[in-house]
Amino acid sequence: GENVEQHPSTLSVQEGDSAVIKCTYSDSASNYFPWYKQELGKGPQLIIDIRSNVGEKKDQRIAVTLNKTAKHFSLHITETQPEDSAVYFCAASSPGSNYQLIWGAGTKLIIKP
Amino acid sequence: DAGVTQSPTHLIKTRGQQVTLRCSPKSGHDTVSWYQQALGQGPQFIFQYYEEEERQRGNFPDRFSGHQFPNYSSELNVNALLLGDSALYLCASSLEGTKNIQYFGAGTRLSVL
Repeated sequence: GENVEQHPSTLSVQEGDSAVIKCTYSDSASNYFPWYKQELGKGPQLIIDIRSNVGEKKDQRIAVTLNKTAKHFSLHITETQPEDSAVYFCAASSPGSNYQLIWGAGTKLIIKP
Repeated sequence: DAGVTQSPTHLIKTRGQQVTLRCSPKSGHDTVSWYQQALGQGPQFIFQYYEEEERQRGNFPDRFSGHQFPNYSSELNVNALLLGDSALYLCASSLEGTKNIQYFGAGTRLSVL
């Protein structure tokens, strides 16, 4: 079955700098890759997603890139702000599993003032 | 437009008891998935309901069962509770045919003593 690995587990960056979180997946049939942000005491919030027919997607300060050959995808956050501090999860899913999400272990992003 | 709502928000049970958690999906959504999130980990898929039937199941024992009602709301039942069942239980809703983009509720925090 699908396995998703996420790195790093903790990332500390200076406010205003960029942050990059990387994930790899194992199932070549996976074709949908969402990123979720989870704040303390809340459920995961979808922030951006990408499908396998696209190499990059951008939404304001957030971007996601996908390399299907290498089976990895990354989240890029530019001009980080204190409110970006949270735990970020990547996930992968495929039509063969009715799009059940397989999750990475999460990255705790700390924005230093 | 109400998002995904879950009840209760917190629950304390003792070992061996049974628990029922409830979820109302986002308006217009017809598919409900349940996830278990242990502290400091990513969510683990329990099962997914569509058209009132369980159509996908993760690696969870049959102590975990569910139901979906005609109005698409759903319940998660856990029998014979174990200490290890203590976790945040998340409900996600999606619309069949939209490649299952999933939106999450805030979760129910279950503590088993």
